[in-house]
Amino acid sequence: SQTIHQWPATLVQPVGSPLSLECTVEGTSNPNLYWYRQAAGRGLQLLFYSVGIGQISSEVPQNLSASRPQDRQFILSSKKLLLSDSGFYLCAWSVLGGGSPLHFGNGTRLTVT
Amino acid sequence: DQQVKQNSPSLSVQEGRISILNCDYTNSMFDYFLWYKKYPAEGPTFLISISSIKDKNEDGRFTVFLNKSAKHLSLHIVPSQPGDSAVYFCAASANTGNQFYFGTGTSLTVIP
Repeated sequence: SQTIHQWPATLVQPVGSPLSLECTVEGTSNPNLYWYRQAAGRGLQLLFYSVGIGQISSEVPQNLSASRPQDRQFILSSKKLLLSDSGFYLCAWSVLGGGSPLHFGNGTRLTVT
Repeated sequence: DQQVKQNSPSLSVQEGRISILNCDYTNSMFDYFLWYKKYPAEGPTFLISISSIKDKNEDGRFTVFLNKSAKHLSLHIVPSQPGDSAVYFCAASANTGNQFYFGTGTSLTVIP
């Protein structure tokens, strides 16, 4: 069966510090991979998605970036965090090609102080 | 621009009664629709989906209805249970695409 791992579960970082969140998927090959963010009291905002190694599409311009160095690994990064980057970050995967659901990890609660 | 909308931020229902959660969308290219349940500090869990070739899909206590002409879908939970208390998100995608768009969620409280 497929599983998705996301870490860390919680993170407190000062403004201006770098960020690296990692997500890996097991039990499937060539998945679509996604990063979403849920800000306090708001819905799920799509940040990045990837259909293959090295292929990243950005939905919202900001100081975050994503990379997919391996087929089942997706990384969310920032060089300098802003207060507005605080939120709940979710990694997800789906079967390549559409028509099947997204499956989410347990999320990372990021607080920028 | 919010392409998927959930206009009710919250809903309270008595245990045993029906819960109806609503969702509207604007993009006529969407042809695959999903409902997710989310507890605090956890990732959303997939509940049920429907493709645009159907107008109803049922799974146990959960039924999703799709009205394509109105660009509206709803999730019915019957009977509602206290464990159903959570935030429910609807989502949509175009089958030819890879992006999923989510509503802002409806917080359901089932009162024992």
